[in-house]
Amino acid sequence: DVQLLESGGGLVQPGGSLRLSCAASGFTFRNYVMSWVRQAPGKGLEWVSAVSGSGDQTYYAHSVKGRFTISRDNSKNTLYLQMNSLRAEDTAVYYCAKDRGWNLFIDYWGQGNLVAVSS
Amino acid sequence: DIQMTQSPSTLSASVGDRVTITCRASQSIRSWLAWYQQKPGKAPIILISEASNLESGVPSRFSGSGSGTEFTLTITSLQPDDFATYYCQQYDSYPRSFGQGTKLEIK
Repeated sequence: DVQLLESGGGLVQPGGSLRLSCAASGFTFRNYVMSWVRQAPGKGLEWVSAVSGSGDQTYYAHSVKGRFTISRDNSKNTLYLQMNSLRAEDTAVYYCAKDRGWNLFIDYWGQGNLVAVSS
Repeated sequence: DIQMTQSPSTLSASVGDRVTITCRASQSIRSWLAWYQQKPGKAPIILISEASNLESGVPSRFSGSGSGTEFTLTITSLQPDDFATYYCQQYDSYPRSFGQGTKLEIK
């Protein structure tokens, strides 16, 4: 079974940094695009970023471009999201997600990890 | 970038009803549209891909249609488990985008 387990969330001050991790299992990690999607409290889903299976292609939402960096370590089956210059509006549950295939949709989601940006 | 607009934002219905949710894209996304269901405190789950392809394990009372810029999700004979929030998402191009969601409430 596909499992995606996020970690690394928590409370951080505005302007601070945080790195989320997502440990994947149950599939051949290096073969799949992986994504991050977030959901602010009481709000809808917002796509954040995606990375190709090899890690050489990355994509970002305008709201995070230049501040967030997505990466992966295929030897560890782990996805990362480095978040810098955090703002209050970045407060959200962050979901790690697996795409069905190249240029396809998300078919599995992690359980989510809360990031709270507040002084 | 492609904007996705869902309507209505909230829908009140009763068990046994038939409901339809609409999703519009700001430009053609061909059939590259997925529908997700989300319950409070849980991650979304995939219902439909490629606008009309019912995912494995999803009840047949769910169906999707459309192409280009206009899409619909229909649920026939609503069951208690169907009361949730529904999102459409385009995967035609990056950045990906979701609709704002439709909350399906019990009347």
